[in-house]
This record gives sequence, C-alpha cells and structure tokens, in this order.
Amino acid sequence: TQLLEQSPQFLSIQEGENLTVYCNSSSVFSSLQWYRQEPGEGPVLLVTVVTGGEVKKLKRLTFQFGDARKDSSLHITAAQPGDTGLYLCAGALAVGGGSNYKLTFGKGTLLTVNP
Amino acid sequence: EPEVTQTPSHQVTQMGQEVILRCVPISNHLYFYWYRQILGQKVEFLVSFYNNEISEKSEIFDDQFSVERPDGSNFTLKIRSTKLEDSAMYFCASRRDSPGGLRGQYFGPGTRLTVT
Repeated sequence: TQLLEQSPQFLSIQEGENLTVYCNSSSVFSSLQWYRQEPGEGPVLLVTVVTGGEVKKLKRLTFQFGDARKDSSLHITAAQPGDTGLYLCAGALAVGGGSNYKLTFGKGTLLTVNP
Repeated sequence: EPEVTQTPSHQVTQMGQEVILRCVPISNHLYFYWYRQILGQKVEFLVSFYNNEISEKSEIFDDQFSVERPDGSNFTLKIRSTKLEDSAMYFCASRRDSPGGLRGQYFGPGTRLTVT
C-alpha cells in the first residue's frame, strides 16, 4: 500500500506569514498533484509536478517535487485569509499499462490564515 | 472554463436499494474516474475507465459496483444494493489523454450519498 504522509495536519498562522506544507512517501510517483478542497466540495487542481526537482510557481504558491519523485512541498509566501482551506497532495501511480494512472491522496493539511 | 458536473448533489437511500450517481466529464477528456471520501477520511480511488472499459479498480469496487458510459457525455456509478458503509462523498474526475501523470485530474463537486 502506497502511503502519502502530509505534515503538518493543522496549521494556523497570521496574515503575512510564510508557511511550508510537506508531502512524503516511500513510493516513487509518476507525478504529484496538489489540490485545494473546501468543505463539502470536490478537490480543485492547483498544480501537477512531473520531473524530479521540478519547481512550479502559482502566484504566491511555490510547489517543488523531490529529486527522487517521492516527496513534495508547498510553500506559501505572505499568506492571506483567502488561502484558508484544506490542501491535499496526491501521487499518481501508473495502472493498466499505457498512460493511465490513479491517484493516492494524503490526509491533507488544514490551513487557517487569521487576519 | 469547462467543469466536471455531478448529479444529484445529495442522495438519501435506504439500505439495500440501488443508486445511480451521474457525472458529465469535461468534453475532450478521455479518462474517467470515481473516488470516494468517507467523512473525515482520505479521498480513495474506486475505479478508472478508459476506452469504454474498466482499466483499474480498487478492492472497494466489488461486485455491487458498476460503471457505465451510456452515451458520449455521461459517466455513471451504480451501487446495486447499498450498505450503511457506502455512505460517503463520491467524486467523479476526468482528464485529457497524455503520457501518464502529465495531466492532472479534474474533480466534480461530488454527490453526498447517505444510506439509512
């Protein structure tokens, strides 16, 4: 069973602070996807990282894929109350041959940014 | 921007009844998935569907579950005889064709299934 461990599970910070969320596994993934999920809604795709060592930026969010493609991090600069939410990482595992894959999710990091 | 849609948003059913959850994936997507999330737990993979057949299914996806793409736009999940433990949010997801992992999966808003 492939497990993705996210840390911290809960994070409460003040507006303007920086933070980093981690996603670790012993498995190698073909890609790592980050999602944000609001209560009662579906996960919303933020980014997909594919290459070991890859760094992608989305405004104040910086995503990094580990060199060995087993771990990833999400760094938020100058957090704002609008960043509050549940952040999920999901590793892509090849299935069925060809180019198909399934996602295995972490439990998520619940971020609260206080004004 | 195109979105995955799901209906109904909430379904309440009695144990032993059949339910059909419906999804309309994004139109140019070729891979379709169902996931579920029991309250307070992780999102779990159920099944993957490509080229009109199941390409992968999890241990959860037993004989009580089936999927179908009855026409060019809908993708359905049927649970034949629901159990209390089937109560969960069910998410449909889809993605474009691409080498494995390059394209992210896009999720619908979910159907909350409550089995009483």
